[in-house]
Amino acid sequence: SQTIHQWPATLVQPVGSPLSLECTVEGTSNPNLYWYRQAAGRGLQLLFYSVGIGQISSEVPQNLSASRPQDRQFILSSKKLLLSDSGFYLCAWSGHDRYNEQFFGPGTRLTVL
Amino acid sequence: TQLLEQSPQFLSIQEGENLTVYCNSSSVFSSLQWYRQEPGEGPVLLVTVVTGGEVKKLKRLTFQFGDARKDSSLHITAAQPGDTGLYLCAGERGAGSYQLTFGKGTKLSVIP
Repeated sequence: SQTIHQWPATLVQPVGSPLSLECTVEGTSNPNLYWYRQAAGRGLQLLFYSVGIGQISSEVPQNLSASRPQDRQFILSSKKLLLSDSGFYLCAWSGHDRYNEQFFGPGTRLTVL
Repeated sequence: TQLLEQSPQFLSIQEGENLTVYCNSSSVFSSLQWYRQEPGEGPVLLVTVVTGGEVKKLKRLTFQFGDARKDSSLHITAAQPGDTGLYLCAGERGAGSYQLTFGKGTKLSVIP
């Protein structure tokens, strides 16, 4: 069966510091991968998605970036965090069926002070 | 921009009551998914509906996709405290699209 991991689970960082969040998927090959941000327990904002190694599409201009160095690894980064980067970050994967059903990791709670 | 509006935003009911939450859009979606999310966790997929007028049942949960594939509803019969959570609908923007459009969710509290 497929599993998705995210770490760290929680993170408190000062403004201006760098960020690296990691997501890995097990039990599937060539998944589509996604990074979302969720504010205040509400809807999800798609940040990046990737359909293959080295292929990254950005949905929202911001000071974040994403990379996919391996087939089942997706990394969210920032060189300098802003207060507005605080939130709940979710990684998800989907297969290549018709309906893009997505399966989410446990999330990372980021607080920027 | 394809938006999904969910209503109500918040719902608090007593255990045993029935409820319906709605997901509406002015746009057509090729498929629509419902997720439930508990605090501090990632959303979990409940169901996918793909055909206009389709009805799917998952135990006490009944999902319906509108005939025009622009809206959907989730009905819960005899709600239980374990149903508490944030219910999110998400529409597939186009067949074969890699992206989903998420609503802001309905936060349901079932009081014992």
